[in-house]
Amino acid sequence: GAVVSQHPSRVICKSGTSVKIECRSLDFQATTMFWYRQFPKQSLMLMATSNEGSKATYEQGVEKDKFLINHASLTLSTLTVTSAHPEDSSFYICSTTPGLAGDFSYEQYFGPGTRLTVT
Amino acid sequence: GQNIDQPTEMTATEGAIVQINCTYQTSGFNGLFWYQQHAGEAPTFLSYNVLDGLEEKGRFSSFLSRSKGYSYLLLKELQMKDSASYLCAPLDGDYKLSFGAGTTVTVRA
Repeated sequence: GAVVSQHPSRVICKSGTSVKIECRSLDFQATTMFWYRQFPKQSLMLMATSNEGSKATYEQGVEKDKFLINHASLTLSTLTVTSAHPEDSSFYICSTTPGLAGDFSYEQYFGPGTRLTVT
Repeated sequence: GQNIDQPTEMTATEGAIVQINCTYQTSGFNGLFWYQQHAGEAPTFLSYNVLDGLEEKGRFSSFLSRSKGYSYLLLKELQMKDSASYLCAPLDGDYKLSFGAGTTVTVRA
């Protein structure tokens, strides 16, 4: 499977500050990247779909002005959590898909995740 | 949204077999994935079914019935390292992946 990296793996920030998380596709050019959030003992919830060169598509209930997504190149997408609050503390995971070109149709390759703690 | 139902927890003994059932309802369907997730880590791919039937891959097998909206993941010869959460994830008609809440499998010696 493809390699997807995320940086940082762990970050602690103060309430009110902003945090940027990077997601890189190392093996192929990813037109589409996905951002998920996972709270403890819960499932992954899709936050938004990031498309290179266009605006991200946000899922219902996700504030686009709070979670800024930029997909500036075919290998890099960033998620910025603006004015972070303790309730934003979560595990953020990105994924990419080679689409039909992959081993399985639209299989998603996941990054290692970023643990965000807002104090 | 999509409806995905799988048991919350299962416990089994080392060397045993465990079957994790999943029922789903999606808008359109383009296959179903099973992922394994260890605590604090990202999910890793286990299997993919798009046609009805059983897909066998070593100690892991996955079954799909599209007409019943049903899948199961079979784990054989359980090992301690298999203790993890197993996520059922159907791919809908828009190629969007939805995840079940996961089944936490605990393997005991």
